[in-house]
Amino acid sequence: GAVVSQHPSWVICKSGTSVKIECRSLDFQATTMFWYRQFPKQSLMLMATSNEGSKATYEQGVEKDKFLINHASLTLSTLTVTSAHPEDSSFYICSANTGTEIDQPQHFGDGTRLSIL
Amino acid sequence: AQSVAQPEDQVNVAEGNPLTVKCTYSVSGNPYLFWYVQYPNRGLQFLLKYITGDNLVKGSYGFEAEFNKSQTSFHLKKPSALVSDSALYFCAVRDARSGNTPLVFGKGTRLSVIA
Repeated sequence: GAVVSQHPSWVICKSGTSVKIECRSLDFQATTMFWYRQFPKQSLMLMATSNEGSKATYEQGVEKDKFLINHASLTLSTLTVTSAHPEDSSFYICSANTGTEIDQPQHFGDGTRLSIL
Repeated sequence: AQSVAQPEDQVNVAEGNPLTVKCTYSVSGNPYLFWYVQYPNRGLQFLLKYITGDNLVKGSYGFEAEFNKSQTSFHLKKPSALVSDSALYFCAVRDARSGNTPLVFGKGTRLSVIA
């Protein structure tokens, strides 16, 4: 149980392209999802918290106009990297809580490797 | 503020030997502690958690971790390492008083098990 599916797993595109990454909770409803960015050999950096039906909460230093987050349903959140440039190349991972119980682990998607040429 | 420290970037251990991956934490209230493993180009997989109760918790793939409140530590252990345990390991914490907030992760420790 508690499966999070992330798609696509790998994207290579030209500079200036916008890229959409989907994160789905397959067997549970996720009112809250989290988006992380991971640089090589580094830890996870929380980018934003996505709440179903409301605006995302961005961490300090994350450009909300650059990284658009939409959480339109209880099972789907999307991250759109707008006008991507090489410095946006990274590994992006989404995560979801199965409920509101704070003693529960977050469940992660398999990540999306984004490479901007 | 919550924080997690994983003092070792890399841990090397011979196959069959016991392994330990260290983690210390800092929270204002009671800690909820988690360990995750990440294989190359994959997301994080949950291994185990400590919420309350017995200080020694057992998780997936034969891993266990010991909560030590006085030392604010939550080290990950396994009695006999396998080559397939080679991966990146993350410790994470959430303050019990912080509500449904995202976990705070350590920087990760790369474990290499040598045959």
